Amino acid sequence: NAGVTQTPKFQVLKTGQSMTLQCAQDMNHEYMSWYRQDPGMGLRLIHYSVGAGITDQGEVPNGYNVSRSTTEDFPLRLLSAAPSQTSVYFCASSPTGQGLYGYTFGSGTRLTVV
Amino acid sequence: AQSVSQHNHHVILSEAASLELGCNYSYGGTVNLFWYVQYPGQHLQLLLKYFSGDPLVKGIKGFEAEFIKSKFSFNLRKPSVQWSDTAEYFCAVITGGGNKLTFGTGTQLKVEL
Repeated sequence: NAGVTQTPKFQVLKTGQSMTLQCAQDMNHEYMSWYRQDPGMGLRLIHYSVGAGITDQGEVPNGYNVSRSTTEDFPLRLLSAAPSQTSVYFCASSPTGQGLYGYTFGSGTRLTVV
Repeated sequence: AQSVSQHNHHVILSEAASLELGCNYSYGGTVNLFWYVQYPGQHLQLLLKYFSGDPLVKGIKGFEAEFIKSKFSFNLRKPSVQWSDTAEYFCAVITGGGNKLTFGTGTQLKVEL
């Protein structure tokens, strides 16, 4: 049982480049979400999804796009990377968004934009 | 908007000392409360959660937390810390039966031998 798998683990981008951070879960969880973690700021919610075909914005959505075509996958797209998007990105999933069973987090993607 | 405050940003303790990390939230209605831990270089793991019932919640690795509604608090405690408890600890909240998990800024705990 792999849980939540994030790829890549590390990435360096040049300003203006685009890329997709991948997130996949094999637990049949309906709820998935993306966070970014910055020193001294904790984790901030970027986007979330309560099921296939349904997404919504979190606290810091600007500069990021998401889609949810399947239950298993929830990719995060950076359309035009900026240095301010340098961060560690975590994907999380849960049976429901209310967290009754806790959220399962992936191991993270460390992104540097130069 | 909901928010979570963690007052202690850095805590240094000796092994066997007692631990209490503060957490306050700002929301007047129903809350679901969580403590997560992040060991160096690892992802977040759930320590414990409170949804309803007994306000004293016991979690993994000897941690517990007490929900005090009148103080909007959910402080994390451990009677005797170990070197292996060195990690960053995050308080988090979901309000009003919603589906957005909001984190505090975290507390870095260092336990010295």
